[in-house]
Amino acid sequence: GAGVSQSPSNKVTEKGKDVELRCDPISGHTALYWYRQSLGQGLEFLIYFQGNSAPDKSGLPSDRFSAERTGGSVSTLTIQRTQQEDSAVYLCASSFGAGGREQYFGPGTRLTVT
Amino acid sequence: RKEVEQDPGPFNVPEGATVAFNCTYSNSASQSFFWYRQDCRKEPKLLMSVYSSGNEDGRFTAQLNRASQYISLLIRDSKLSDSATYLCAVNKGDKIIFGKGTRLHILP
Repeated sequence: GAGVSQSPSNKVTEKGKDVELRCDPISGHTALYWYRQSLGQGLEFLIYFQGNSAPDKSGLPSDRFSAERTGGSVSTLTIQRTQQEDSAVYLCASSFGAGGREQYFGPGTRLTVT
Repeated sequence: RKEVEQDPGPFNVPEGATVAFNCTYSNSASQSFFWYRQDCRKEPKLLMSVYSSGNEDGRFTAQLNRASQYISLLIRDSKLSDSATYLCAVNKGDKIIFGKGTRLHILP
């Protein structure tokens, strides 16, 4: 079946511009996660959605970052007033149910801020 | 102590050899454990879940040691295609905490 999809695959933007990154989770997966991975680094947790519960935003690095999930499916991560240090690969993952189950990742969006 | 810790490597191993990695975790309440594989410039892919009784999938064996709070991954008869970064992952409540990964290079 279809896996997690993300768009765009690559995004180059100028410093100060806003960007929106999209994630389509696996159908039926109620949990959705956003991570950031800088070159050669580990996965940095950003935000977690589970069903209709309030999202866990504890990993968002600043108030320039926000995310929403509409209808319990598609999610959008928005970065306002991008900075060069925001350059990274943004990965989305989904899992079936809560409780720290297996996560399946999308291919990521490679963001470059010039 | 970091929540999930791995030796970053790299492990340089000749083809056909056996290699093992450990991953330590700090949260004694963790119940879910996983190994992921990440190829260069690709997303992590689930390799295997780690069960209390240990589990095996072909050349790969995963073990959990709750008393010492670590999980292990053993790769037998290593192939060139096993070259990758191996991430361990442990739950913290509903979240999964990933280690920074161990780089493995299989040498011809």
